[in-house]
Amino acid sequence: RKEVEQDPGPFNVPEGATVAFNCTYSNSASQSFFWYRQDCRKEPKLLMSVYSSGNEDGRFTAQLNRASQYISLLIRDSKLSDSATYLCVVNRAGSYIPTFGRGTSLIVHP
Amino acid sequence: EPEVTQTPSHQVTQMGQEVILRCVPISNHLYFYWYRQILGQKVEFLVSFYNNEISEKSEIFDDQFSVERPDGSNFTLKIRSTKLEDSAMYFCASTALSGGGQPQHFGDGTRLSIL
Repeated sequence: RKEVEQDPGPFNVPEGATVAFNCTYSNSASQSFFWYRQDCRKEPKLLMSVYSSGNEDGRFTAQLNRASQYISLLIRDSKLSDSATYLCVVNRAGSYIPTFGRGTSLIVHP
Repeated sequence: EPEVTQTPSHQVTQMGQEVILRCVPISNHLYFYWYRQILGQKVEFLVSFYNNEISEKSEIFDDQFSVERPDGSNFTLKIRSTKLEDSAMYFCASTALSGGGQPQHFGDGTRLSIL
C-alpha cells in the first residue's frame, strides 16, 4: 500500500458545485496533515492544515479520520479559480519528512 | 508576505555537467528543504538542513547531491554529474520551526533540463 494515496481524477465539476476529495495514508503513527494546492508547473502552496477535530476556512472544510486513516477536503460553491491539483501531505511522527500524495486534479467549468 | 526565492527559474545543462541550484529562504526561517518533482509525478523530499548540517535525507539524495549554506542567506543544491533522470522541477522550502507539523513555504522552483 502506498504511503499516501489519492484518486488522481480529474474531477470535472460545474461552477457552484460541491466536491470532495479523500486521501488515505498507511502509517498509523502519522501526526500532521495538510492540503496543498498546486497549479500547473508552479510550486505547492499551503491550502490548510488538517486538525483532529476538523476545520473550516471559508468554502473549504478539512476532516481527519484516524480510525480509517484518511483525510478529506470539501470545497463548496466551486469557482473557476479552484481548478488546480490538490496535494495531500502527511508527516510521520518524529520525522521532518513530509510525504506527498500524487494529487487530485480538479477542473471547474462554467 | 516574505517569500522563498529560487534562481535560476530554468537551467539547461549537458549530461555529466555539474549544476548548482540556488535558494534564498525566508529570512527568519531556520529549517531548509529541497524537493524535486519529475513531470507528472509527485513531489519528493530530497533533504532537510538545519544548523549547517543535514537533518534527514531520502534515498534519492545520493553521493551526487550536496547542499550548502555558503553565507547567511543562500542555500544551494549541487548535483555533481547530472544524469538525464535528474530532469525535474526542484523546489526549495523553509520553515521557521522544526518538526513535521510545520507547513512548508515553497519557492517557485527551478526547472532543470538535462540534455
